[in-house]
Amino acid sequence: QVRLQESGPGLVKPSETLSLTCTVSGAAINSYFWSWMRQPPGKGLEWLGYIYYSGSTNYNPSLKSRVTISIDTSERQFSLNLNSVTAADTAVYYCASLGMTGIMRAFDSWGPGTMVTVSS
Amino acid sequence: DIQMTQSPSSLSASIGDRVTITCRASQSVSVHLSWYQQTTGKPPKLLIYGTSSLQSGVPSRFSGSGSGTDFTLTISSPEPEDSATYYCQQSYSTPYTFGQGTKVEIK
Repeated sequence: QVRLQESGPGLVKPSETLSLTCTVSGAAINSYFWSWMRQPPGKGLEWLGYIYYSGSTNYNPSLKSRVTISIDTSERQFSLNLNSVTAADTAVYYCASLGMTGIMRAFDSWGPGTMVTVSS
Repeated sequence: DIQMTQSPSSLSASIGDRVTITCRASQSVSVHLSWYQQTTGKPPKLLIYGTSSLQSGVPSRFSGSGSGTDFTLTISSPEPEDSATYYCQQSYSTPYTFGQGTKVEIK
């Protein structure tokens, strides 16, 4: 059973960089693709991107190169950096495992989420 | 980007009534369609992947069907704990996209 836990600041100032880390337990870091999603208050879900243990990444173009996902396999962690944030980036941020074997292409385990507010 | 459109946006049903939620993709996603359940303050939970495969531990009253652009999530005999918001999501091509959600109330 994959367990995921997000960590990072709950408040970020406009124009600064949002940085979150997701710690993985219960699964080998090379077993999945690792992904970030977000959900603004009262709204739907947005996929931000994923990373494989090799370091290969895929990002949502809507974020216009503001997003970077990195991985530290020795620490069993992967991280999200989102720069030049505005109030529109206020959301609950989730990390998730993305299963990609056979017919399975889905986010099968999620962290509890962490609320990040962008405000001065 | 592939747009995912769910209907209805919300519904109310009685315990034991059959509940059906539809999801339409703006282009074919083959069978790469998943369904998630989200209750207030919790992360989404995977119910169905690959259009119709039931995730381990999910009750058999949940089922999925469809292919191409039109998909359905059915709750055959819903229980009060099935009150939640349900999202479809395509993994056919990036950027992966979600439907806007269907809020389900079971009374």
